[in-house]
Amino acid sequence: SQQGEEDPQALSIQEGENATMNCSYKTSINNLQWYRQNSGRGLVHLILIRSNEREKHSGRLRVTLDTSKKSSSLLITASRAADTASYFCATDARGGGADGLTFGKGTHLIIQP
Amino acid sequence: DTEVTQTPKHLVMGMTNKKSLKCEQHMGHRAMYWYKQKAKKPPELMFVYSYEKLSINESVPSRFSPECPNSSLLNLHLHALQPEDSALYLCASSQILVTYNEQFFGPGTRLTVL
Repeated sequence: SQQGEEDPQALSIQEGENATMNCSYKTSINNLQWYRQNSGRGLVHLILIRSNEREKHSGRLRVTLDTSKKSSSLLITASRAADTASYFCATDARGGGADGLTFGKGTHLIIQP
Repeated sequence: DTEVTQTPKHLVMGMTNKKSLKCEQHMGHRAMYWYKQKAKKPPELMFVYSYEKLSINESVPSRFSPECPNSSLLNLHLHALQPEDSALYLCASSQILVTYNEQFFGPGTRLTVL
């Protein structure tokens, strides 16, 4: 069953601008991850934030997690055309390996050149 | 090698056909997964294998039959599918003895059932 709800469902911005996507979830989590998917192909892992972390950075990515509100945000700074893709948050409840992920509905990001 | 490969890339089959999807990884991961993704929807978990044993089956119809012959291979056998089973089928793998669960995805098999 789907747990995460992404907001917005679609986002179109100009190249160079920042893009912010939000995700909410319903149950307790161990980790929250963000994945990118290009044109209906495989997903690529972007960043993972543990439930005891509040913020994490990786290159142009910044992720925040608010477990009290059961929400997360992904910020992509200085966007590029190559960032055009769908972005999904994903959670696993039990933690550790061999736990299936529950994905949010996703945000389709379009970067206008 | 940090790649998960899936074959075939595309598959068209009739409702009476039997076909198989294949997935392979050589990262030493002992957890492997099948997800189904309909157009403009997020992936949905179907099966999880842990140490080559089925550990999670998300109430998937029996016309989908998974198999994990060894630690590098994962198959999904298809039989008597319905047109609504048309979707992108994604395979993924991950480590087990860690506190995180980063999954590595293959490019998927796009299945069309006529």
